Formats: sequence, C-alpha cells, structure tokens
Amino acid sequence: DSGVTQTPKHLITATGQRVTLRCSPRSGDLSVYWYQQSLDQGLQFLIQYYNGEERAKGNILERFSAQQFPDLHSELNLSSLELGDSALYFCASSETFLNTDTQYFGPGTRLTVL
Amino acid sequence: QQPVQSPQAVILREGEDAVINCSSSKALYSVHWYRQKHGEAPVFLMILLKGGEQKGHDKISASFNEKKQQSSLYLTASQLSYSGTYFCGTASNAGGTSYGKLTFGQGTILTVHP
Repeated sequence: DSGVTQTPKHLITATGQRVTLRCSPRSGDLSVYWYQQSLDQGLQFLIQYYNGEERAKGNILERFSAQQFPDLHSELNLSSLELGDSALYFCASSETFLNTDTQYFGPGTRLTVL
Repeated sequence: QQPVQSPQAVILREGEDAVINCSSSKALYSVHWYRQKHGEAPVFLMILLKGGEQKGHDKISASFNEKKQQSSLYLTASQLSYSGTYFCGTASNAGGTSYGKLTFGQGTILTVHP
C-alpha cells in the first residue's frame, strides 16, 4: 500500500459524458501527478500539481482538466468522453516538485467508455 | 521523447539473471525504475541520478551511464515474485514546465517460471 488513495476504483460510462476522478496523496506529499495507461500507449504523463499550482504538463487533452485543492487532494475531470479515453488512470504523489523525488502510485481508476 | 526499453519481453527460470536496458535520446537527470503487476499500480524500485551511480537492494540493482544516456536494471537469482512489467521513467532537467515530468518507456515483460 503506497498511501495514495484513488476513487472510484472502476467507472463505466457512455460516450459524451463527463466524469471526475479523485486522488488523495500520501500524508506530507505536496505534489500530485496524473498518468493515463492504455494498452497501446503505455504510461503517459498528463499533469502535475504542486501545493495547489500547476507545475508540469504533458500531452493532456483540452477535454481533460485537473486541480489540486487546499487539502492537497486532486481531481481529474474528463469531459466529452470518447471510446479512446478508456484506460487506467493513475495518480501519484511525491514530497516536492523535484524530478529526483520518488513518485508513489495509487491503485488507479479503471475507466470504461461504452 | 519516450525512452526505449530492451528487451520487450524475457522469460526466465527461477534463479536465472536478467538485464533490462533503458535508453534515451535526450540528456537525462534521473531514471526511475518501477515494477507493475497486471492491473495493479506501478511499484517503485529505485531512482538513479545523473552522475553514473549504481544502486541496489537485495538482488535487484541498477546503473546509470551518463555518457550513453542509458540505464540498466539487473535482476539476479530471479524469484517468482519478480514477474511483472518493468518500466523506466526518465526525467530531464529541462526546467520550466517539464520539471517534474517523467516519461516512461514502453515496458519490459518479465516472466519467471518455477
């Protein structure tokens, strides 16, 4: 158990819908990262927040957005869902924003878009 | 750009050794190694920093060759529990908006048989 929690564990929805994935980092960690893992794309970095501020951005679609709240939990919002958005979405956390920090991964949310 | 891992897959008998390589075309600042079991979260193994250090714990160790921009993960006397997909995540010290970002390789599937 990494100490990172994610809800829900599974999500099944239809194309065109909007969903919100939630992540609580390990106690004391200030950075939260979101990754998408699909069969053909591997682990893709989406976005990083540090202490409430966006810190680094990957190839995140415009239909996706994220935020980190004052209590440091983070939410990833996915809208206008398409079949190709079906994937495992992982949240990770680390102490600071440095790329030398260990990133601890949560159990993931499996999103299925029908 | 995504680092390249080799081999793509390897099959071992218990007690055999394996080496997994991770190569990047970009200058690297740190390399992070993870193991992932099917459907589970990636589990952190170790971080190597620019400077060519070698790290290890138990029977798993890794090295970082700065000149070649390559890292290698060494698994010795493999156990059944070593089975899984191994990912390297690389970070450059590009700064700016890329600072915390990890770019993951496509993974190496390791299967250990009794």
